[in-house]
Amino acid sequence: SQQGEEDPQALSIQEGENATMNCSYKTSINNLQWYRQNSGRGLVHLILIRSNEREKHSGRLRVTLDTSKKSSSLLITASRAADTASYFCATDGETSGSRLTFGEGTQLTVNP
Amino acid sequence: SQTIHQWPATLVQPVGSPLSLECTVEGTSNPNLYWYRQAAGRGLQLLFYSVGIGQISSEVPQNLSASRPQDRQFILSSKKLLLSDSGFYLCAWSVLYSNQPQHFGDGTRLSIL
Repeated sequence: SQQGEEDPQALSIQEGENATMNCSYKTSINNLQWYRQNSGRGLVHLILIRSNEREKHSGRLRVTLDTSKKSSSLLITASRAADTASYFCATDGETSGSRLTFGEGTQLTVNP
Repeated sequence: SQTIHQWPATLVQPVGSPLSLECTVEGTSNPNLYWYRQAAGRGLQLLFYSVGIGQISSEVPQNLSASRPQDRQFILSSKKLLLSDSGFYLCAWSVLYSNQPQHFGDGTRLSIL
């Protein structure tokens, strides 16, 4: 089954606005991670939230996790043109060890 | 600090030709290693992962194979490429335990003609 499905698929905003991306998953997880991918490059880890955590912050990033709804959100505040990238959530399940299952991603465009 | 190297960055191969993509990690010992494939505009599909030398787990049946001849070297191979093998191939590493991030190389864009 597909874990980590993001929505929206694409998001276009103006510089300075906030961007919110959502991720849903199907099975129980140990952790949920968010990654960023610039076009044609590898993924860069942004933040990890454990299943017993509800919210986590890192700079302009805020991640929430609702295990009862099997969903997570990534908020980027005061967006910049340099935030333009694809954003992926990834989950590791209770039996998957360190293997991650990635969603399809949200393509964020921040217009200057 | 740890680094991951993946090459080549781009590769154009004819159908039926062999393939060898290499990934090496520096600055860490006994990492978990991963090969992913990414179709255009899509998420990552895990192809192979390895928890040690010679230990390879395949996630999906396919035309590809992987090997780990040394602790920090991971190789993706094929004897005869298919058109469907085109894509963006990413190598990644993580420490042995779960709840740790994965660290990615810059990928290889493979085009099959």
